[in-house]
Amino acid sequence: AQKVTQAQTEISVVEKEDVTLDCVYETRDTTYYLFWYKQPPSGELVFLIRRNSFDEQNEISGRYSWNFQKSTSSFNFTITASQVVDSAVYFCALTTSGTYKYIFGTGTRLKVLA
Amino acid sequence: NAGVTQTPKFQVLKTGQSMTLQCAQDMNHEYMSWYRQDPGMGLRLIHYSVGAGITDQGEVPNGYNVSRSTTEDFPLRLLSAAPSQTSVYFCASSYNPPRAGYTGELFFGEGSRLTVL
Repeated sequence: AQKVTQAQTEISVVEKEDVTLDCVYETRDTTYYLFWYKQPPSGELVFLIRRNSFDEQNEISGRYSWNFQKSTSSFNFTITASQVVDSAVYFCALTTSGTYKYIFGTGTRLKVLA
Repeated sequence: NAGVTQTPKFQVLKTGQSMTLQCAQDMNHEYMSWYRQDPGMGLRLIHYSVGAGITDQGEVPNGYNVSRSTTEDFPLRLLSAAPSQTSVYFCASSYNPPRAGYTGELFFGEGSRLTVL
């Protein structure tokens, strides 16, 4: 069975602080794909990144970076120098080859205070 | 470029009433799915479809029906609404169903907020 755990329900930081959002996944498949989505207060879901199980390279995009570690089944998301506009709910998701199901974690609400 | 369009955006129903949430995409995506979002529960998969004429159940299918007669449309039907179905519903699509070699990200609609009294 597939499972995604986002243990941090809510995080509050002050603007310009760095923050890491944790994502731990479970799957028995060797081919799988991990995603992060952002849901701002307006409610839409915005795709941020996709990573497949064969590529453990970390990725950096501006202030965002992602750390994928198969050894600990984690796919963590770090925001550097957070801004108020980063305030949102962030979801981690998992799908595996052949299951046709994208499974989401319960989300982490990030509040960045000015 | 409309993407994924959901209607209606808001709906209030009485217990026992039926309704259909519409979802249409104009990206020629094979894969479509419905999620519900409840506080503290994240996004839970209701039903999904890997192509016209093919549907299957997700994590929480009870109380919902779907059909996929065309590539573009994937309506979600509530046959007899219950207060437990009060939620925000999202339709999502992807170019390919998850499979080896390619798995695309999901494109989401703006959501439909349903209240069942």
